[in-house]
Amino acid sequence: DGGITQSPKYLFRKEGQNVTLSCEQNLNHDAMYWYRQDPGQGLRLIYYSQIVNDFQKGDIAEGYSVSREKKESFPLTVTSAQKNPTAFYLCASTGPSYNSPLHFGNGTRLTVT
Amino acid sequence: RKEVEQDPGPFNVPEGATVAFNCTYSNSASQSFFWYRQDCRKEPKLLMSVYSSGNEDGRFTAQLNRASQYISLLIRDSKLSDSATYLCVVNAGGTSYGKLTFGQGTILTVHP
Repeated sequence: DGGITQSPKYLFRKEGQNVTLSCEQNLNHDAMYWYRQDPGQGLRLIYYSQIVNDFQKGDIAEGYSVSREKKESFPLTVTSAQKNPTAFYLCASTGPSYNSPLHFGNGTRLTVT
Repeated sequence: RKEVEQDPGPFNVPEGATVAFNCTYSNSASQSFFWYRQDCRKEPKLLMSVYSSGNEDGRFTAQLNRASQYISLLIRDSKLSDSATYLCVVNAGGTSYGKLTFGQGTILTVHP
């Protein structure tokens, strides 16, 4: 079955450590997105990529970095510069056209103490 | 003004009621619109796309008003299982994949 896989589901880190969240899709979608959700809040866009080797900052990119070396993969690194990294992180993809809906992975809950 | 804005509610309605949510957007070049449903601690799931002429899927009706720059979602004959957070999504990128922006979500609780 086609879909988006995020791993791990739960992640615990100490403050000051960088951590990388995995996102893989086998839907052959061109565009991929990373969102962050805090309790009781909507989704805020961190980064998105419309094509391999290209990505754009979203609304809250500070303290995060991404890469898009393969169409299937869009990993997100939460760096130690991110002041409040504890959140629910959602990866999504869309295609084959710009008016296609987003498909989401199951999310990663990151807790930094 | 936020790019995409929703009334956060919460909306508390009895079973069988009709309830409507609105979502306003600021970028007049936006071309695609969606409603998603999110259950507690889960990922959002697509409820329906919103088409220019309006569209219906069972008890759910979506409308687009380009002149006033809002979309709406109408739920008829509410069920207990409709309790969730409803999120609107707008493609602010116009005619490209662009920046898909979410509203903050509207919480719906349907009670017996």
